[in-house]
Formats: sequence, C-alpha cells, structure tokens
Amino acid sequence: AQSVTQPDIHITVSEGASLELRCNYSYGATPYLFWYVQSPGQGLQLLLKYFSGDTLVQGIKGFEAEFKRSQSSFNLRKPSVHWSDAAEYFCAVGVYYGQNFVFGPGTRLSVLP
Amino acid sequence: GAVVSQHPSRVICKSGTSVKIECRSLDFQATTMFWYRQFPKKSLMLMATSNEGSKATYEQGVEKDKFLINHASLTLSTLTVTSAHPEDSSFYICSASGGPDTEAFFGQGTRLTVV
Repeated sequence: AQSVTQPDIHITVSEGASLELRCNYSYGATPYLFWYVQSPGQGLQLLLKYFSGDTLVQGIKGFEAEFKRSQSSFNLRKPSVHWSDAAEYFCAVGVYYGQNFVFGPGTRLSVLP
Repeated sequence: GAVVSQHPSRVICKSGTSVKIECRSLDFQATTMFWYRQFPKKSLMLMATSNEGSKATYEQGVEKDKFLINHASLTLSTLTVTSAHPEDSSFYICSASGGPDTEAFFGQGTRLTVV
C-alpha cells in the first residue's frame, strides 16, 4: 500500500532563512508526487508536482523539490522564506496522477519576523 | 490549471439534519471525482471515489448511508451528510479528474459545523 511520511510536524524558521520540508513515500511503482500548501481554513493549492523527467522540479512562489528515487524522498525547499509562507504543507502520492491521492500528515510552518 | 468549485464554503447545520455539498468542474468534464475529509489539525483522508453515472466506491470505514455521493453529470458531484451529528463536523474537500491519465484538481473545501 502507498504511504507518505513527513517527519516534521512543525517547523519554525526566521523570515529570510532557507527552508527544507522532508517527505518520504512508499509506493511500488513510479510515483506521481505532489506538494500542496493549505492556509488556515482554506483549500489546497498545488505548489509543484513530479511525474517524470528532471528530478529537480520548480514550482510556484519560489519553491522547488527534488525527487530522489534511491531515498524514496521528495523534499521541498525554498532559499528564502517569506512571512506569507506560514501554512500547512502536505506531500502526496498520486496513485495515478488522475486518481486518488495519499497524503502525508502535513508539516506546519511558522515564520518568525 | 482547471477550476473546481465547491459550494458552500462554510455551512452550519443542526444535529439531525442533512446537508448537501456540491463539487463542480467549471471548465472540464470530470469523469471521476474524489471526496476527502480533513479532521482538525490532521491530514486529508479519502472518503470515496465517484465515477459519472456509477455508484461511488467508499473507502473502508466510511459509512455509505451517512455520506451519500451522487455523480449524475460530468460536471457535478454532490456529497450529502445525512442525519448530521457534531462528530461529522469537519473540512470536506473534493477533487475532480478528467480521466485516469489526467491530473486531478481540488476544490476550495467546505467547512461543516454541526451544532
């Protein structure tokens, strides 16, 4: 069965600092991988996705993620965090990218001024 | 990306009543729609998958008689929470896909509060 782990429940960084959110997955085939962001009380916004090809994926808002098959990881990074990045971040595996998702537990990001 | 609209965004209902949540694909035909539930401070859990014109497939542990899903057209799926109770209070979110090899897009979610 597919599963997604996000080891960090809550991360706090200072504004302007770099950020890395970890994501590990378990899936028998080539995964379709996603990162979503959710602001309080809001829906999901897609940050980026990986289907195939270049393992370094660029997304919106200055985020990027790197797919490492050997480590079953898809970590999200941003070189300089803005206060508006404070939110909940979910990593997800798409069984097929048009089909259902298995979400990780989420990482809450707090940003200090 | 394609647009999926969910309505209402927030709803408060009395215990024992039923509430209907709509999920619409605005600019594409959604052959498959998915319904997720998010408990407070928790991740999203798939409740059911619905294909247009077919009965929904429910995940284990989801009461199909409580959570009625209808996908009668290629642009609309509805989730009806029947005889709602306070423990049904949650954030419900849908996603829609144009087919097995096309990306799924999420609605903005519905916050249900049962009092």
